[in-house]
Amino acid sequence: DGGITQSPKYLFRKEGQNVTLSCEQNLNHDAMYWYRQDPGQGLRLIYYSQIVNDFQKGDIAEGYSVSREKKESFPLTVTSAQKNPTAFYLCASSIRQGSGTEAFFGQGTRLTVV
Amino acid sequence: SQQGEEDPQALSIQEGENATMNCSYKTSINNLQWYRQNSGRGLVHLILIRSNEREKHSGRLRVTLDTSKKSSSLLITASRAADTASYFCATDVNQFYFGTGTSLTVIP
Repeated sequence: DGGITQSPKYLFRKEGQNVTLSCEQNLNHDAMYWYRQDPGQGLRLIYYSQIVNDFQKGDIAEGYSVSREKKESFPLTVTSAQKNPTAFYLCASSIRQGSGTEAFFGQGTRLTVV
Repeated sequence: SQQGEEDPQALSIQEGENATMNCSYKTSINNLQWYRQNSGRGLVHLILIRSNEREKHSGRLRVTLDTSKKSSSLLITASRAADTASYFCATDVNQFYFGTGTSLTVIP
């Protein structure tokens, strides 16, 4: 069954800790994306990757880091430098970056700072 | 930011009525897409309309696009309680940029 999987579904972080959100896809997609969604708001792009070993900052990359060592995996680390990390994080993939492709989303990770 | 905006922010209708939501965007586009998000879940693709198309249908969905006004609308006909969700438009020039969303509630 092809799809995109995010884990964990819920994550709690103490202040000052780094946490890593997992995103795995078996769709053989080249492009992957991370978005942040705050309550009642739209999606804001954190990072994206169009190919293995390459990634670019989105609109709100400060306090986040990513890696793309494998085609199917695009983990997001929320560092202690991110001052307001509580949010819903969505990972997506598309067959390639660019116009005319459809984005496939995971089910999200809800991160809460405690 | 290239984020677009949906209007209205929230919409509440009775089952069986039609729901119309609008999207305005900022950049030139090749395509515009609409997505649906159930509460607490990921987004699901609904429909894509190309910049040279003015209208597109898919089941109970009708999308229009006016590139001169940089706007699009999504019409859901004969709404059902199961249509309750948030709806987002997205442009896809390089990355996917999503609007702020319309929260639709369909009352049974």
